[in-house]
Amino acid sequence: KNEVEQSPQNLTAQEGEFITINCSYSVGISALHWLQQHPGGGIVSLFMLSSGKKKHGRLIATINIQEKHSSLHITASHPRDSAVYICAVRGNTDKLIFGTGTRLQVFP
Amino acid sequence: DGGITQSPKYLFRKEGQNVTLSCEQNLNHDAMYWYRQDPGQGLRLIYYSQIVNDFQKGDIAEGYSVSREKKESFPLTVTSAQKNPTAFYLCASRDGQGYGYTFGSGTRLTVV
Repeated sequence: KNEVEQSPQNLTAQEGEFITINCSYSVGISALHWLQQHPGGGIVSLFMLSSGKKKHGRLIATINIQEKHSSLHITASHPRDSAVYICAVRGNTDKLIFGTGTRLQVFP
Repeated sequence: DGGITQSPKYLFRKEGQNVTLSCEQNLNHDAMYWYRQDPGQGLRLIYYSQIVNDFQKGDIAEGYSVSREKKESFPLTVTSAQKNPTAFYLCASRDGQGYGYTFGSGTRLTVV
């Protein structure tokens, strides 16, 4: 079993829909990251969380430390949101452990 | 603008040849990392460096080598000993003050 599990693996949506991507982890962490990878391959850091909730534009990330679970929400989804979203956790060492990603496609 | 530059974007190599992937950052970050990405798998750590002239093996270091002679630069050499080198390679750096990471745009290596 992977230490970081994401669901779903693939997600399709119509423009305007509310989207949720989930991340569960089994290790103790100091921080959790949500990353976005576009088709060209480059990765952009969206959020870094250690507790609670963060919001940036139409993106919201939450984390529940007790349940070892985080969610990434996208409100009013748009085709430009189509990408792979990756959850990664930083444990007690200087290493990130990555999930396998959720591929999101938003159709007009 | 500060960031990480990886070059080249695409690289083709003949079997048996060594190849070096470049990673340069102008963020003044102390820590730098190399990851490998394969289809259907999460990124895996190859090597990392927390300070100039020092680096540590990650989870899949066999067949790879690195150097960290300058703070800005962390090149990765894929040697002929790497049995399955075709993959997407990502370089990252981390802010020493916190946990924020910056990633490069990656190099796709294909062995022909």
